[in-house]
Amino acid sequence: NAGVTQTPKFQVLKTGQSMTLQCAQDMNHEYMSWYRQDPGMGLRLIHYSVGAGITDQGEVPNGYNVSRSTTEDFPLRLLSAAPSQTSVYFCASSFSLGTNLEQFFGPGTRLTVL
Amino acid sequence: GQQVMQIPQYQHVQEGEDFTTYCNSSTTLSNIQWYKQRPGGHPVFLIQLVKSGEVKKQKRLTFQFGEAKKNSSLHITATQTTDVGTYFCAGGSGGGADGLTFGKGTHLIIQP
Repeated sequence: NAGVTQTPKFQVLKTGQSMTLQCAQDMNHEYMSWYRQDPGMGLRLIHYSVGAGITDQGEVPNGYNVSRSTTEDFPLRLLSAAPSQTSVYFCASSFSLGTNLEQFFGPGTRLTVL
Repeated sequence: GQQVMQIPQYQHVQEGEDFTTYCNSSTTLSNIQWYKQRPGGHPVFLIQLVKSGEVKKQKRLTFQFGEAKKNSSLHITATQTTDVGTYFCAGGSGGGADGLTFGKGTHLIIQP
């Protein structure tokens, strides 16, 4: 199993540009999440999905869209990038059984918005 | 909403010294998870505690969950250079990933 994969690893955008961060998992996990990590802020939840076709907002959803058309994929879209979105983005997945299960994180995407 | 505070933010130790990080929640938790993130890497799951007063050990690491299920600690005995990284606690309120709140992490710096 590849686990959770993310592309690209690095990205530089100009203010106002749009892009999609890709996330895929091959563990048949129902739960998938997007976090952003900023210095001194820990991990903050952007959006999450409890299964294909179902998404919801986390703590910091503004400026980001998500969709979940398949169990495997959970892309994160930046519609109009802003310097405040400069961050490291992690995708994570977990099983659906039980309570707050172990999350498997991808390697991250380091995004800089100029 | 639920808040999870973690202290200290940074900890410098000499190799061989012990290290402890503390996590406190504003609300009663259903469980708590601990993750380790190496510099430049991604968070990796270490353990989950569910029961009040629970203590679990993994080699030199000891994890505790408070009796009131509002606090937790991670203690590392005789630190090694491989322990370098950031340790995060994540408090669970039940349900799925939406109910998990991460602390800001403790950066462990080890001086040889």
